[in-house]
Amino acid sequence: EADIYQTPRYLVIGTGKKITLECSQTMGHDKMYWYQQDPGMELHLIHYSYGVNSTEKGDLSSESTVSRIRTEHFPLTLESARPSHTSQYLCASSEYRGSSGTQYFGPGTRLLVL
Amino acid sequence: AQKITQTQPGMFVQEKEAVTLDCTYDTSDQSYGLFWYKQPSSGEMIFLIYQGSYDEQNATEGRYSLNFQKARKSANLVISASQLGDSAMYFCAMRETPTGNQFYFGTGTSLTVIP
Repeated sequence: EADIYQTPRYLVIGTGKKITLECSQTMGHDKMYWYQQDPGMELHLIHYSYGVNSTEKGDLSSESTVSRIRTEHFPLTLESARPSHTSQYLCASSEYRGSSGTQYFGPGTRLLVL
Repeated sequence: AQKITQTQPGMFVQEKEAVTLDCTYDTSDQSYGLFWYKQPSSGEMIFLIYQGSYDEQNATEGRYSLNFQKARKSANLVISASQLGDSAMYFCAMRETPTGNQFYFGTGTSLTVIP
């Protein structure tokens, strides 16, 4: 059973606001990921991390930023939200080695920017 | 080239029947992993089943089985005895090496189970 949490689950916010999407996992996984997904569409990797103080941009260009100060915590920040940021954001984590590398996902945050 | 191809945008199946969701992959690595995830309308991604490239037996998890045909580079998901709760999007994914930094996801197949 995967233990990965995301808050908030739903967020409606006005253009220009700064937002932080929280993601925490209690499995001690080294690797964490952020994906962006429009309804019914494929997932796009926007950020990932191998471990503390390690962050990389993914395939999809994103105006968001991430940090990894603690193993269990991988927040995503949008400095100035725009309607084009409206989407679902999924956080995931996996073990780095010695396993299948299965990614386990949080419940997601649905963001609506007005 | 697409790493993961799911050619069925939508599928319908009668309740209690079996259904196969297709997935083909593209890799030149010898070591890779294949995964299936379920995404209900609530949005969360639920891990269903994993197949390693060196596994000789097809993976099974309850009503889910993965039909792994290495030479054809296919990893189809078979759901037996479909239930109404199986209605969801299903995503096939691949990790290329044990230290691969990302997954490759397919575009998904929407499955509807008809009562």
